Amino acid sequence: GAGVSQSPSNKVTEKGKDVELRCDPISGHTALYWYRQRLGQGLEFLIYFQGNSAPDKSGLPSDRFSAERTGESVSTLTIQRTQQEDSAVYLCASSRVGGEAFFGQGTRLTVV
Amino acid sequence: AQSVAQPEDQVNVAEGNPLTVKCTYSVSGNPYLFWYVQYPNRGLQFLLKYITGDNLVKGSYGFEAEFNKSQTSFHLKKPSALVSDSALYFCAVPFSGGYNKLIFGAGTRLAVHP
Repeated sequence: GAGVSQSPSNKVTEKGKDVELRCDPISGHTALYWYRQRLGQGLEFLIYFQGNSAPDKSGLPSDRFSAERTGESVSTLTIQRTQQEDSAVYLCASSRVGGEAFFGQGTRLTVV
Repeated sequence: AQSVAQPEDQVNVAEGNPLTVKCTYSVSGNPYLFWYVQYPNRGLQFLLKYITGDNLVKGSYGFEAEFNKSQTSFHLKKPSALVSDSALYFCAVPFSGGYNKLIFGAGTRLAVHP
């Protein structure tokens, strides 16, 4: 596709439910990133995939968060047993090796 | 540990005046430095990067940034601001060992007034 695509664009969920966020990177981009942006704050690194290497999960805030990526394509970020503090915009980005990152529009998650 | 700081939460500029958005960094080794912009209701967009070479880097939309090693700064500049430049600007630096595993500053909101 022309850019990084994320779905859904908005998600409202009840506290305690699981949610799954999807990211379609730019074709040919081997690196994929997930970030979280809380209201009025900067970007918080969550997880990084590079090709077939083991992902860097050092930014995941708790074991309720997990992410998968199939080869060099789609990635899903799963949040189990959502809490109100999980409310944020979740941003996905992709890049070629050594290139700048291209970001999607994000998924706005609201936990009520 | 790698880090960046954006000391200003907001910068206000009159249209047509020059603008500067500040960023300072702390990195081990040679720094890679990035600026991104986030327009309202849109995703982050890459503006420019410094890897090596000339200290003045030119980027998109007429923006440029000056790398200053002695002051550990990478300030974003534009000679003449436009109202449409109003947005949230982020400075970023890679974690050590990762070219694109970026640490972002807290962001600076630029408001350009007519």
